[in-house]
Amino acid sequence: DAGVIQSPRHEVTEMGQEVTLRCKPISGHNSLFWYRQTMMRGLELLIYFNNNVPIDDSGMPEDRFSAKMPNASFSTLKIQPSEPRDSAVYFCASSLARLSYEQYFGPGTRLTVT
Amino acid sequence: EDKVVQSPLSLVVHEGDTVTLNCSYEVTNFRSLLWYKQEKKAPTFLFMLTSSGIEKKSGRLSSILDKKELFSILNITATQTGDSAVYLCAVNSGGSNYKLTFGKGTLLTVNP
Repeated sequence: DAGVIQSPRHEVTEMGQEVTLRCKPISGHNSLFWYRQTMMRGLELLIYFNNNVPIDDSGMPEDRFSAKMPNASFSTLKIQPSEPRDSAVYFCASSLARLSYEQYFGPGTRLTVT
Repeated sequence: EDKVVQSPLSLVVHEGDTVTLNCSYEVTNFRSLLWYKQEKKAPTFLFMLTSSGIEKKSGRLSSILDKKELFSILNITATQTGDSAVYLCAVNSGGSNYKLTFGKGTLLTVNP
């Protein structure tokens, strides 16, 4: 099993640009999570999908952030326009819905906005 | 707001030492507590605890939960340099089984 796959692994962009992060969950997992990790705030849940449907987006910081899951094997997190305070490591995780506490994390995307 | 606090924030030990990492929590409708190990990349799942007083063990790592005092400890015996990582504690709470509130982690460094 390839595990959760994320791309790109690193992204450096200028303030105001659009950023799209990508995630492929583990095959067969029907829950998908996007997290953000910073030194100040630790690991925070941004959004949770179950069977491709967004269930909880209460952690999405503001309208500049959006996430989609068009099918069971792909999800995107978009930031438009990006700001320096968005700099963080963004993790995607997946799980079986009935075991949603046991989440498998991808390697993360380190985003730097200058 | 749910809160998970880990201590110490960082710890430096020598190979062979035993360490204890602490996690306390204040959450609504506690369901379970989880420990993750984060090396350079992604957190990896270690343990899930739901009942007080029952120790979970995996090799040199063990963990126990106290639901009355609202804390958990993670013990690592005979530490090795490969144990160097950030150890994250997370609590699943509320009406769902997916929402995890993470602590900020304990950075453990094991020197040879």
